[in-house]
Amino acid sequence: DVKVTQSSRYLVKRTGEKVFLECVQDMDHENMFWYRQDPGLGLRLIYFSYDVKMKEKGDIPEGYSVSREKKERFSLILESASTNQTSMYLCASSDAGGAWYGYTFGSGTRLTVV
Amino acid sequence: KQEVTQIPAALSVPEGENLVLNCSFTDSAIYNLQWFRQDPGKGLTSLLLIQSSQREQTSGRLNASLDKSSGRSTLYIAASQPGDSATYLCAVPVVGFQKLVFGTGTRLLVSP
Repeated sequence: DVKVTQSSRYLVKRTGEKVFLECVQDMDHENMFWYRQDPGLGLRLIYFSYDVKMKEKGDIPEGYSVSREKKERFSLILESASTNQTSMYLCASSDAGGAWYGYTFGSGTRLTVV
Repeated sequence: KQEVTQIPAALSVPEGENLVLNCSFTDSAIYNLQWFRQDPGKGLTSLLLIQSSQREQTSGRLNASLDKSSGRSTLYIAASQPGDSATYLCAVPVVGFQKLVFGTGTRLLVSP
């Protein structure tokens, strides 16, 4: 089975800190994604990457950046954390287009910014 | 723009009942449709993936159907158990792009 591993289940950070959320997948998938999930707003795409060093903005990229130096690893960076970035962050991966094998999600990182 | 809706938003049933969750999408040009389960505070677990050429998929007590022409999918859960309590989400990939569009979710509670 494809596994998507997020390095932290829970994080508490202070306002203004630079925060790194790490995600690793083990099935050589081309595509990787970062979503955030908030009550009443559902899942919203922040960024995705379809290849090493390639990235595309999703629906809510403001305040975030990403890094993909290796195919298996996709990092989400909060340059200066703010309280409105308190949320559940979900990483996912898929084969090209996700057309045949679907998407696999990690277990999530609950980030609290105080 | 693809929009995905799930009905009902919440459902409470006694253990043992068979139940149906509904998912509707506005653009029938889809590659596939995927059903997920999410437990509170956890990530998404994939349950079933139906390709656009398929009519249904089965896994254990779960059966998902797809009718592209009418823009509908249903998830049938047989002989429900308290362990089935979770939020169920359907999602379709945006054609030509890489992202998923998620439904609004159905929160299921199965009582012993």
